[in-house]
Amino acid sequence: NAGVTQTPKFRVLKTGQSMTLLCAQDMNHEYMYWYRQDPGMGLRLIHYSVGEGTTAKGEVPDGYNVSRLKKQNFLLGLESAAPSQTSVYFCASSFSRGNIQYFGAGTRLSVL
Amino acid sequence: SQQGEEDPQALSIQEGENATMNCSYKTSINNLQWYRQNSGRGLVHLILIRSNEREKHSGRLRVTLDTSKKSSSLLITASRAADTASYFCATINSGNTPLVFGKGTRLSVIA
Repeated sequence: NAGVTQTPKFRVLKTGQSMTLLCAQDMNHEYMYWYRQDPGMGLRLIHYSVGEGTTAKGEVPDGYNVSRLKKQNFLLGLESAAPSQTSVYFCASSFSRGNIQYFGAGTRLSVL
Repeated sequence: SQQGEEDPQALSIQEGENATMNCSYKTSINNLQWYRQNSGRGLVHLILIRSNEREKHSGRLRVTLDTSKKSSSLLITASRAADTASYFCATINSGNTPLVFGKGTRLSVIA
């Protein structure tokens, strides 16, 4: 049972490049989330999804897009990467809004 | 924006001592959760306490909740070097917003 799997684990981009981060969960959870974590800032919610085909904005959505075409997958896209998007990105999933969240191992992204 | 604020931001103790971390929040909640994050890893859930509960235990962990003061505390007894990590509180309210995390307390347990 893998839980929440994030790919890739590390990535270096040049400013202006695009990329997609993939999150997959095998727990049949309805809710999925994308966070970024920066030193001293804790976790900040980028986007989330309450079910297949739905997405919603979190606290810091600008510069990111997401898609939830399949229940088990939640994709985070950066269309034109900026140095301010250098961060560690975490995906999480939960059965419902107030339930325990299960986290992936994170993706460390550097934008030069 | 962060709902929960942990205190202290950093804590350093000797192995065998108890560690206490506090979390204050601003609005009414349905439940409050504590998570641990080891360096370079994802968060791991520790305990969930509901708004109608006052105290919960799990192994060496004790969580209290005081809704009148809008605060919670996490006590780790007989700490070990392996407890070295960041600890986050997270709150969920009765609206539609997802779980909101605080900025965390960095705990260092020195052997």
